[in-house]
Amino acid sequence: EVQLVESGGGLVQPGGSLRLSCAASGFTFSSYSMNWVRQAPGKGLEWVSYISSSSSTIYYADSVKGRFTISRDNAKNSLYLQMNSLRAEDTAVYYCARDDNYEDYWGQGTLVTVSS
Amino acid sequence: EIVMTQSPATLSVSPGERATLSCRASQSVSSNLAWYQQKPGQAPRLLIYGASTRATGIPARFSGSGSGTEFTLTISSLQSEDFAVYYCQQYNNWPPLTFGQGTKVEIK
Repeated sequence: EVQLVESGGGLVQPGGSLRLSCAASGFTFSSYSMNWVRQAPGKGLEWVSYISSSSSTIYYADSVKGRFTISRDNAKNSLYLQMNSLRAEDTAVYYCARDDNYEDYWGQGTLVTVSS
Repeated sequence: EIVMTQSPATLSVSPGERATLSCRASQSVSSNLAWYQQKPGQAPRLLIYGASTRATGIPARFSGSGSGTEFTLTISSLQSEDFAVYYCQQYNNWPPLTFGQGTKVEIK
């Protein structure tokens, strides 16, 4: 069974940093690209970042470019999102999702709240 | 960036009735379109990919159609568990991956 479990969310002050993790199991993690997608409270889905299976290709949404860094450790079956210079508008539930062109499996999400 | 527009924003339907949801792309996305269902407090779940292929375990009452810029998700006979928010997403021309703003299907 495919499982994706996010962790690392919490309350952080504006300008602060947070590192999210996503632990994958039930599939060959190293064979799949991965995405982070976020959802602000009461709002729709917003794609954040993509990383290919070998980390050779990485993309970011303009809204996070230069502030967020996606990475992965295939030996640990883990995906990461380092978030720096956080803003109030980054407040959202962050989901990791397996990429098969579309997003076929999603984690349960981790809430990031940016507030003073 | 391809803009995805869903209509209506809210659809009020009685159980057992048919629901038809629309998604329009600002430029052609071929058949590279997916539909997701999201219930309150849960992660999105993949329903349809390739515009018309049901994902694993998705009931036959869910069907997708369309290509290019116009797409439809049809739920043939709404069950209580189908009341949720539905999102379309294009994966033809990215980054960025883009989603529609969602259609909420509520009980009439």
